[in-house]
Amino acid sequence: SAVISQKPSRDICQRGTSLTIQCQVDSQVTMMFWYRQQPGQSLTLIATANQGSEATYESGFVIDKFPISRPNLTFSTLTVSNMSPEDSSIYLCSVEEFLVRRDTQYFGPGTRLTVL
Amino acid sequence: AQKITQTQPGMFVQEKEAVTLDCTYDTSDQSYGLFWYKQPSSGEMIFLIYQGSYDEQNATEGRYSLNFQKARKSANLVISASQLGDSAMYFCAMREGDTDKLIFGTGTRLQVFP
Repeated sequence: SAVISQKPSRDICQRGTSLTIQCQVDSQVTMMFWYRQQPGQSLTLIATANQGSEATYESGFVIDKFPISRPNLTFSTLTVSNMSPEDSSIYLCSVEEFLVRRDTQYFGPGTRLTVL
Repeated sequence: AQKITQTQPGMFVQEKEAVTLDCTYDTSDQSYGLFWYKQPSSGEMIFLIYQGSYDEQNATEGRYSLNFQKARKSANLVISASQLGDSAMYFCAMREGDTDKLIFGTGTRLQVFP
């Protein structure tokens, strides 16, 4: 499967600031997704990152708070804007490769964010 | 109603023994997929095994097998010959119909002891 990297791996930020998380894949992939995992919780899909167009957001998540870019088939960014302590979570990107294994999502190592 | 239910918050198993992690799901779609992921303390999510709703055979991947009982809507993960490195959180997930979205259960923390 594709090798997925995320930057930064972890960060501690002040409330009111923004952080951009990068997701890089070593091969072109069809689908890219962003998930959030709040402390002690399960994963929740934030949005699907669409190449060349606006991301598709899930209920409860909005573009102003979580702007997403996907300029090509190997790269995407998620920005967490105007952060509050409630944004402290692990943020994970995932990818799906139709030619490798259809329907299966593979995850990056995650970005552990703490907001003070 | 919960789409994915994992009723075991924690499980213990002795090294080299087998363990079953429970997962039940709720969907009205005929076409769906069921997944198990492992999350070590490092936080990454590792794909373990996949079962499609139309698959007639239970999925197997090395020491992992999925006990798929469609009528009971259960998709239990069986880990054979447990190893200390199997200690982690395990999440069951489902993908319904043509959607891309994975719906995750609350997870089971497995601890393997010597």
